[in-house]
Amino acid sequence: EVQLVESGGGLVQPGGSLRLSCAASGFTFTADWMHWVRQVPGKGLVWVSRVDQGGTDTAYADFVKGRFTISRDNSKNTVYLQMDSLRAEDSAIYFCVRDVRYSDCPTFDPWGQGTLVTVSS
Amino acid sequence: EIVLTQSPGTLSLSPGERATLSCRASQSVISRDLAWYQQKLGQAPRLLIYGASNRATGIPDRFSGSGSGTDFTLTISRLEPEDFAVYYCQQYGRSLVTFGGGTKVEIK
Repeated sequence: EVQLVESGGGLVQPGGSLRLSCAASGFTFTADWMHWVRQVPGKGLVWVSRVDQGGTDTAYADFVKGRFTISRDNSKNTVYLQMDSLRAEDSAIYFCVRDVRYSDCPTFDPWGQGTLVTVSS
Repeated sequence: EIVLTQSPGTLSLSPGERATLSCRASQSVISRDLAWYQQKLGQAPRLLIYGASNRATGIPDRFSGSGSGTDFTLTISRLEPEDFAVYYCQQYGRSLVTFGGGTKVEIK
């Protein structure tokens, strides 16, 4: 079974840091790009960041650029999101997602269960 | 950035009825790059449709996707109780990903 399990969320003060982890299993981890998507409870989905198979090519949404860093450890089948200089507006559920192509069509499948980040004093 | 606008925001229907959800893009989207996801309350999103019209594994055939260019549609032919959820369209082209704001399908 393909599975993604996030961890590392919690309560942090504004300006603080947090590192999210996403452990992957059930597929060839080194074959796929990985992404982070966030969602304020009750609101829509917003793409945050992605990393390529080797961990060298990364991309970020403008609102996290310079503050968040995505990385992966292929020996541990894990992707990370280091979040620094956190703001109240970063409070959200963070989902880890596999980027997979079905018939050459890009999709996000599956999604992890999400981890809640709350930035508050 | 391609902006996706979903309508209506909320669809109030009864089980057995047909649901038609719209996703309109601010510029043309390659059909291959358009997907639909279902999110039930308290759960992660789940892939429903990829490439605008292809059902993902395990998705019932009451779900269908269509459209091209800037206008895409998700149709649920006959709503089952488990279909009441929020639906998002997504475009993923040139390594850029955007989502629509979602359509909530609620029980009337």
